[in-house]
Amino acid sequence: DTAVSQTPKYLVTQMGNDKSIKCEQNLGHDTMYWYKQDSKKFLKIMFSYNNKELIINETVPNRFSPKSPDKAHLNLHINSLELGDSAVYFCASSQDVNPGYEQYFGPGTRLTVT
Amino acid sequence: AQSVTQLDSQVPVFEEAPVELRCNYSSSVSVYLFWYVQYPNQGLQLLLKYLSGSTLVKGINGFEAEFNKSQTSFHLRKPSVHISDTAEYFCAVSGNTGGFKTIFGAGTRLFVKA
Repeated sequence: DTAVSQTPKYLVTQMGNDKSIKCEQNLGHDTMYWYKQDSKKFLKIMFSYNNKELIINETVPNRFSPKSPDKAHLNLHINSLELGDSAVYFCASSQDVNPGYEQYFGPGTRLTVT
Repeated sequence: AQSVTQLDSQVPVFEEAPVELRCNYSSSVSVYLFWYVQYPNQGLQLLLKYLSGSTLVKGINGFEAEFNKSQTSFHLRKPSVHISDTAEYFCAVSGNTGGFKTIFGAGTRLFVKA
């Protein structure tokens, strides 16, 4: 059983399109995250939800909209895709917001915008 | 505000040699420190973490790290590396300020040569 899963693993699309990435965790964790990893491997937090409530919302274009239907799922919808959105997007979860808990990462979704 | 600096972007080393990956952090409050490893085309996974107590922390795959509060460092070491240790290594810091965020360093690419 995969602890944190993401779909799709690869996503190739054209500029201007709208796409979604889905994430699910079966660890019973309260907190979930979206990260963007650029081509230089730099990892940047985008959003975090705790029990379906948004608690971190970094400086991210409003074309990106997260949705958490329940605490086991956190999806990311991206409108009007741009070339600069090409990256690997990671979902992660942790037991709760306590900063001492480690994060469990999904396998990543490689988004390529052409 | 918290920050993390990984002092080496790449570390080449021969198989069975020792290795040290350096990490310095800055924070005005008590911190929790983590090392994560990312194998090619995978998500990050926890190697080890420091919360409190003994400053020498042992992790998986023979890695260990030492917390040094006076030098604000958390260097990762392994006495004898294997080809399979080739990966990207991330130091991370979190704490009770910073709005629930974990801050990741830029990563160090460990390349083990035969």
